[in-house]
Amino acid sequence: SQWGEENLQALSIQEGEDVTMNCSYKTYTTVVQWYRQKSGKGPAQLILIRSNEREKRSGRLRATLDTSSQSSSLSITGTLATDTAVYFCATLNYNQGKLIFGQGTKLSIKP
Amino acid sequence: GPKVLQIPSHQIIDMGQMVTLNCDPVSNHLYFYWYKQILGQQMEFLVNFYNGKVMEKSKLFKDQFSVERPDGSYFTLKIQPTALEDSAVYFCASSPDWENTLYFGAGTRLSVL
Repeated sequence: SQWGEENLQALSIQEGEDVTMNCSYKTYTTVVQWYRQKSGKGPAQLILIRSNEREKRSGRLRATLDTSSQSSSLSITGTLATDTAVYFCATLNYNQGKLIFGQGTKLSIKP
Repeated sequence: GPKVLQIPSHQIIDMGQMVTLNCDPVSNHLYFYWYKQILGQQMEFLVNFYNGKVMEKSKLFKDQFSVERPDGSYFTLKIQPTALEDSAVYFCASSPDWENTLYFGAGTRLSVL
């Protein structure tokens, strides 16, 4: 899982497999966002999940949020080679209006 | 989807020089951000900007850094003078609302020699 002082996590799986990436956060937030960053590009948002939602789906993606344990997960079903990227979770610091990114998970999908 | 443009894509300068990184945010967005990323690692928040003012800045936003968006033109990050440790990719982002999605540009790779 990502966050804190951990190094960038890395996962390598075969195309077609499912994968779940985890994220834990330290401070109160009303919003958790998941971003994907492909090589040489800026991050692009995949899913935004609010504190009153436990789960949110978008196509092959599914995000969960557990505010009691301050953790979130992003699952991808039926991975494709094009899913290869770094995946970041990000939490909103409500008082400061800034989005704080986790360390990221580097996902490699082998064709 | 909405596009944020960053100019230039790569900038090489000598240590001590001034550099200005330019960002053309999404037209109707109100919140603007700069993030710093080293070697594809964590995205580190530098500063956010709303209504012509800096809202929040991190410890990475040194005194040599400044931001502005004069008259709705480019949102700029200026570093004067630059230091070796400023070498990184700088990402600009904009958002219609502070609780909403951030739209990122492709980044400007700054190399300080």
